[in-house]
Amino acid sequence: AQRVTQPEKLLSVFKGAPVELKCNYSYSGSPELFWYVQYSRQRLQLLLRHISRESIKGFTADLNKGETSFHLKKPFAQEEDSAMYYCALSGANTGFQKLVFGTGTRLLVSP
Amino acid sequence: EAGVAQSPRYKIIEKRQSVAFWCNPISGHATLYWYQQILGQGPKLLIQFQNNGVVDDSQLPKDRFSAERLKGVDSTLKIQPAKLEDSAVYLCASSLVPRGRRQGTQYFGPGTRLTVL
Repeated sequence: AQRVTQPEKLLSVFKGAPVELKCNYSYSGSPELFWYVQYSRQRLQLLLRHISRESIKGFTADLNKGETSFHLKKPFAQEEDSAMYYCALSGANTGFQKLVFGTGTRLLVSP
Repeated sequence: EAGVAQSPRYKIIEKRQSVAFWCNPISGHATLYWYQQILGQGPKLLIQFQNNGVVDDSQLPKDRFSAERLKGVDSTLKIQPAKLEDSAVYLCASSLVPRGRRQGTQYFGPGTRLTVL
């Protein structure tokens, strides 16, 4: 079965500290992995996808097929990064367009 | 461009009552999704439409939930009768699959928060 695990419900760091939000997945085959973010009082929105191999707002994520992980990283956290972050996957087994989400990690960046 | 619109934003009903949610996707987006997000969990897909046809409704509790997308644009999701465990945020999303790609970015609406008492 397809599954996304985000082990941390809350991650609290100080401004300027490095951040790593963990995401592990279970999938038979080659999934596509995504990070979605929801800022306070805003809609859920795409942050980045692994196939784009891009950095958005200083965040990067590398797909590690050996460890079945897709951790989200940022070297220096900013207060405006405080939000709810969801890892998600899709692929042939889920019909490509269907997203399977993890339970989310709340990132709190303190001044 | 205008985003995905949903209404109402909040709804409080008693168990065994009926409720309906409405979604207007981004213009031109052929694919429309309804997700259920229970407190403390990630969104879970209930149903996916491609134009006005159902692509995936494997996780839709069909004994009480129904959805339609007439004319391949707006969509409504109905619960009849509601149960306490249906309390959740119901998210609508839409996407357009670019030519040559397998999927497009999903754009989410603001959601409808349903409380069943």
